[in-house]
Amino acid sequence: DAGITQSPRHKVTETGTPVTLRCHQTENHRYMYWYRQDPGHGLRLIHYSYGVKDTDKGEVSDGYSVSRSKTEDFLLTLESATSSQTSVYFCASRTLSSYNEQFFGPGTRLTVL
Amino acid sequence: AQKVTQAQTEISVVEKEDVTLDCVYETRDTTYYLFWYKQPPSGELVFLIRRNSFDEQNEISGRYSWNFQKSTSSFNFTITASQVVDSAVYFCALSEAEDGANNLFFGTGTRLTVIP
Repeated sequence: DAGITQSPRHKVTETGTPVTLRCHQTENHRYMYWYRQDPGHGLRLIHYSYGVKDTDKGEVSDGYSVSRSKTEDFLLTLESATSSQTSVYFCASRTLSSYNEQFFGPGTRLTVL
Repeated sequence: AQKVTQAQTEISVVEKEDVTLDCVYETRDTTYYLFWYKQPPSGELVFLIRRNSFDEQNEISGRYSWNFQKSTSSFNFTITASQVVDSAVYFCALSEAEDGANNLFFGTGTRLTVIP
């Protein structure tokens, strides 16, 4: 399995506070992704990165920003958390080959009160 | 636009029964990739299989088998002689070659419960 870790694994925060989730991979994968998982919706793409400093929006990007200053790290920031952002967040990465699967991190459960 | 439909929200079977999880997809791309992932109660996502649009061979891996049919845009997953450890949420996903980032589009998942 690819070495992908996420931190924190659990977080409870209050509405209006900024939150940053970190994804770290040790596989030198070029592509990295952030998803959120909600009941009835499966996983939906928030943002993705195709290289250092190269990022783009996904299906549900409103209220989120990302940064990638190093190949191994991909940060997801909620500038001002809202209750609708309560979710489980998954990070994933994959190699350059488009045929290859994405490897997922263990997930971060975020609760916004 | 791409879309993945898993019409079965929840399925319950008794141990040792066979079960098939359905996946229907939509895409305009001629080159695309299909995946199945398993999410056990512990929450992680485990990759099971991938298929590209040019490979319609069915695949068998132990008790698992996959039936890919382009004519019906389906990529169904069968578990033979189900076991309690198969209890999980299963996701079907699609990515398109035209999408340079090969983002994954997921279905909403099927929760399988295997009753001992």
